[in-house]
Amino acid sequence: DIQMTQSPSSLSASVGDRVTITCRASQGINNYLAWFQQKPGKAPKSLIYAASSLQSGVPSKFSGSGSGTDFTLTISSLQPEDFATYYCQQYNNFPLTFGGGTNVEIK
Amino acid sequence: EVQLVQSGGGLVQPGGSLRLSCAASGFTFSDHYMDWVRQAPGKGLEWVGRSRNKGNSYTTEYAASVKGRFTVSRDDSKNSLYLQMNSLKTEDTAVYYCARLKWLQNSGFFFDYWGQGTLVTVSS
Repeated sequence: DIQMTQSPSSLSASVGDRVTITCRASQGINNYLAWFQQKPGKAPKSLIYAASSLQSGVPSKFSGSGSGTDFTLTISSLQPEDFATYYCQQYNNFPLTFGGGTNVEIK
Repeated sequence: EVQLVQSGGGLVQPGGSLRLSCAASGFTFSDHYMDWVRQAPGKGLEWVGRSRNKGNSYTTEYAASVKGRFTVSRDDSKNSLYLQMNSLKTEDTAVYYCARLKWLQNSGFFFDYWGQGTLVTVSS
């Protein structure tokens, strides 16, 4: 199975901050990498697919980059509604696997 | 508007069975692959299984942790996806989500819409 390692596991940030979350795959995944946002008690929300493509309706403050095994999610200017847990996921191979999550908290 | 409305969760004893449903609307259900993903209390996301569409013979894929116990199926006439869970274990306790997959050339099959989730508790 492909292991997805996210870092950090949690971070504290202020409104207006630029935030970057990293995701590393244990082997190459052909950029088949997605990012999700999840708030407590809610279903995940799809943000990004194919490493850098924004899902329909997702604001442009979210961006994804990377290739091969190393990927990043950046939130350009953190807003109150962005405090949540973020997950990466590879969909290049079965079983599909997720990172452990990054909890973005208010400083 | 795409909607995935789930039902069927609840409390079940170890060794028991349960069937989850996911009713789709707002899109052509029969065209899409559909998956199940679960999340144990306080934990991360875990992929469970996939149903491909008729064009791909309704083939399925499963996580090793559920293979042989869980069955993903669909009824395109009812726009519904199902997860039949047998021989349930305490470690199957989780919120279960159905999710739609979208395919784009050079982007593969990726999740775009999710159901609201339904809690399955396996306990004596």
